[in-house]
Amino acid sequence: EDQVTQSPEALRLQEGESSSLNCSYTVSGLRGLFWYRQDPGKGPEFLFTLYSAGEEKEKERLKATLTKKESFLHITAPKPEDSATYLCAVPYNNNDMRFGAGTRLTVKP
Amino acid sequence: NAGVMQNPRHLVRRRGQEARLRCSPMKGHSHVYWYRQLPEEGLKFMVYLQKENIIDESGMPKERFSAEFPKEGPSILRIQQVVRGDSAAYFCASSRTAVRDEQFFGPGTRLTVL
Repeated sequence: EDQVTQSPEALRLQEGESSSLNCSYTVSGLRGLFWYRQDPGKGPEFLFTLYSAGEEKEKERLKATLTKKESFLHITAPKPEDSATYLCAVPYNNNDMRFGAGTRLTVKP
Repeated sequence: NAGVMQNPRHLVRRRGQEARLRCSPMKGHSHVYWYRQLPEEGLKFMVYLQKENIIDESGMPKERFSAEFPKEGPSILRIQQVVRGDSAAYFCASSRTAVRDEQFFGPGTRLTVL
């Protein structure tokens, strides 16, 4: 079955300590990969869409990249306000989006 | 520039009661999706609707659950005869076009079944 897998499940960083989150997928015929940020008690907030291998997008301290089998969300010099759960998702068929379980990021000051 | 609106934000029901969750999509969006999120789990697709039409309800349990998106008014997710296992956060999302388009999420309704 098509799957979306995120790793690690949880990541604790010191402020300023850069790292990367991984999203691997087995969906055939990728029609976009989406990154969201979710804060506790809130709905997911859209961050990026990537459509083709080699594509990169940046927003403040975040950069998303895409290969044929996975995507990375790079966080450069994170701040405590970057603490959140980061979700990736891919369209499964014409109608629904498959979400990974997320990476829970904590950035300590 | 109102985003996706959901109400109520919190809903408490006793077993056997009915729960009605409402979602108003972003202005200009005609596609609505409902997802369920259980504690420590990812978002699970339930149903996809366009105005007056259910496009895909493959993720929604066949019994007790129904959804609608009338010509006028919000989309409604209805859960009849709730059970404790229905306790979860229910999120609505909307998009301008098809599922390949970015989906924008509401704040969710947290349903607790006593």
